[in-house]
Amino acid sequence: KQEVTQIPAALSVPEGENLVLNCSFTDSAIYNLQWFRQDPGKGLTSLLLIQSSQREQTSGRLNASLDKSSGRSTLYIAASQPGDSATYLCAVSSAGNMLTFGGGTRLMVKP
Amino acid sequence: EAQVTQNPRYLITVTGKKLTVTCSQNMNHEYMSWYRQDPGLGLRQIYYSMNVEVTDKGDVPEGYKVSRKEKRNFPLILESPSPNQTSLYFCASRTSGSNEQFFGPGTRLTVL
Repeated sequence: KQEVTQIPAALSVPEGENLVLNCSFTDSAIYNLQWFRQDPGKGLTSLLLIQSSQREQTSGRLNASLDKSSGRSTLYIAASQPGDSATYLCAVSSAGNMLTFGGGTRLMVKP
Repeated sequence: EAQVTQNPRYLITVTGKKLTVTCSQNMNHEYMSWYRQDPGLGLRQIYYSMNVEVTDKGDVPEGYKVSRKEKRNFPLILESPSPNQTSLYFCASRTSGSNEQFFGPGTRLTVL
């Protein structure tokens, strides 16, 4: 059964820092990996989707990488801003249309 | 605007009183899913549907029912809600040609 782990569970940084969020999964037979952002009490917003054949995806200050063989993905946020404060979730899509989520990293960017 | 909508957004009910949470998407997506989110347990898939009249169980289907009579709608039915079904529920959809999932705003359910 696929298991997804995110480290760290919480992170607090000063504004302007570059930071890395980690996601690991146990079964490398995935179709894709998706990073989401969730604001308190709100739904999930898709940030980046990496297909299993891809190594990375970029959107603005965000860059996500995927190393399928080692079961790891990282989300890199450049020049962090207070508006980046949220919970970041990674999710892997495996056989049978199952989407398995990690527990999330709660990010606080202090002004 | 392309979106997934859920109703109601908030619901407080009592044990045993049947309820339905509706989900609708206007993107002509084939795939739709229901998830619940609980502190410490993350998001877990309840049911999913690959198309009209095709549904299957996810990780935590017990106590829930779904139906997919129309492509745009995927209601979640709790025949006899119990307090352990108190949670935040999300509906999601995607097209068969893409794996990117789009989520609704969530429904916060409290069962007393």
